Amino acid sequence: AQTVTQSQPEMSVQEAETVTLSCTYDTSESDYYLFWYKQPPSRQMILVIRQEAYKQQNATENRFSVNFQKAAKSFSLKISDSQLGDAAMYFCASPTYGGSQGNLIFGKGTKLSVKP
Amino acid sequence: DAGVIQSPRHEVTEMGQEVTLRCKPISGHDYLFWYRQTMMRGLELLIYFNNNVPIDDSGMPEDRFSAKMPNASFSTLKIQPSEPRDSAVYFCASSRNRGSGNQPQHFGDGTRLSIL
Repeated sequence: AQTVTQSQPEMSVQEAETVTLSCTYDTSESDYYLFWYKQPPSRQMILVIRQEAYKQQNATENRFSVNFQKAAKSFSLKISDSQLGDAAMYFCASPTYGGSQGNLIFGKGTKLSVKP
Repeated sequence: DAGVIQSPRHEVTEMGQEVTLRCKPISGHDYLFWYRQTMMRGLELLIYFNNNVPIDDSGMPEDRFSAKMPNASFSTLKIQPSEPRDSAVYFCASSRNRGSGNQPQHFGDGTRLSIL
């Protein structure tokens, strides 16, 4: 079975510092997207950033960026200038086999705490 | 555009009762997903539809669970009879598949279900 692994159940960062959340996946697709979702205490699932696998350039959205290593199937999320509002669960997601079907697998999540 | 709309937001009911969760996907999205989230198991895909047709229901835990999508703008997830172990947050999500790879899934706010 395909899996998405987030090896850090919890992370902590000081406000204004940078933190990196790790994710590995094992899809066999050649053309796919990868996603990071944020779930604050309000429990909404909010799309943070996505990466197109055929693009070598790492995606960036304001303070959020990814380090995408396709050969290693690694897709880490970097949060720069961390803010208190960044405290949340973060989930990495990748497509399942036959990813064009639209289905995703989610990791178990990383709980990020931001210290003032 | 309105997002994915789920109702009710909270549901508390007694064991053995029938529970119906509702979802309205984003207009124009042709994929709809039902997820269950618990602390122990994380985010689990229960079933998903494409163009109102169930594609994969392998995640549905038991025959007590059923899901329907009578039209493109409405889906239900029903549990009958409900059991305490069904207590969880249930999410509905929708996406648009443009055929060139995965598209992000947009989530509703979830239904917190408590079975007493």
